[in-house]
Amino acid sequence: EAQVTQNPRYLITVTGKKLTVTCSQNMNHEYMSWYRQDPGLGLRQIYYSMNVEVTDKGDVPEGYKVSRKEKRNFPLILESPSPNQTSLYFCASSNGLGGYTFGSGTRLTVV
Amino acid sequence: GQQVMQIPQYQHVQEGEDFTTYCNSSTTLSNIQWYKQRPGGHPVFLIQLVKSGEVKKQKRLTFQFGEAKKNSSLHITATQTTDVGTYFCATGGSNYQLIWGAGTKLIIKP
Repeated sequence: EAQVTQNPRYLITVTGKKLTVTCSQNMNHEYMSWYRQDPGLGLRQIYYSMNVEVTDKGDVPEGYKVSRKEKRNFPLILESPSPNQTSLYFCASSNGLGGYTFGSGTRLTVV
Repeated sequence: GQQVMQIPQYQHVQEGEDFTTYCNSSTTLSNIQWYKQRPGGHPVFLIQLVKSGEVKKQKRLTFQFGEAKKNSSLHITATQTTDVGTYFCATGGSNYQLIWGAGTKLIIKP
């Protein structure tokens, strides 16, 4: 089944403790993106990638890092999480011809 | 930069009534995509429109792209409880990155 898999689905962590949210797609898509969704603010792009080793900042990149060492994986790294990074995170991928396929989301709470 | 304005923010309807959401831009759009996000779920791609004046239908959903390619609409005929959720429009920018509308939340009145 074609899908984008994010892990974990839920995560509660403490301020300053490094964490990684994994994202993997099995559709051989070139384009991948990370979004955060907060009430009243819609979907805001954090980082995106056009292919392996090609990444760029989105609208709200501060406090986040990404890497694209393989085509299928696009992990989101929070080096030192803070409470304002508490949010719902989505990974998405596309082949550039149609729509994006989204993962099921990761609900992160930073205390 | 390019922006897409989506209205209304919310729409309350009785089951069986119609629903419409609109997306507008001050600049010409290369394409428009529509997504649906159910409560507690993730956005799901519905359709992409690319041609001026294009109209596409999916069962009770009708999608239109304006002649000037500056606006688009999604119309649902005779809403059902399964239609509940937030509908987003988005347009592909540089490097195929999407620029999103704020979404319209469809609420069915009890």
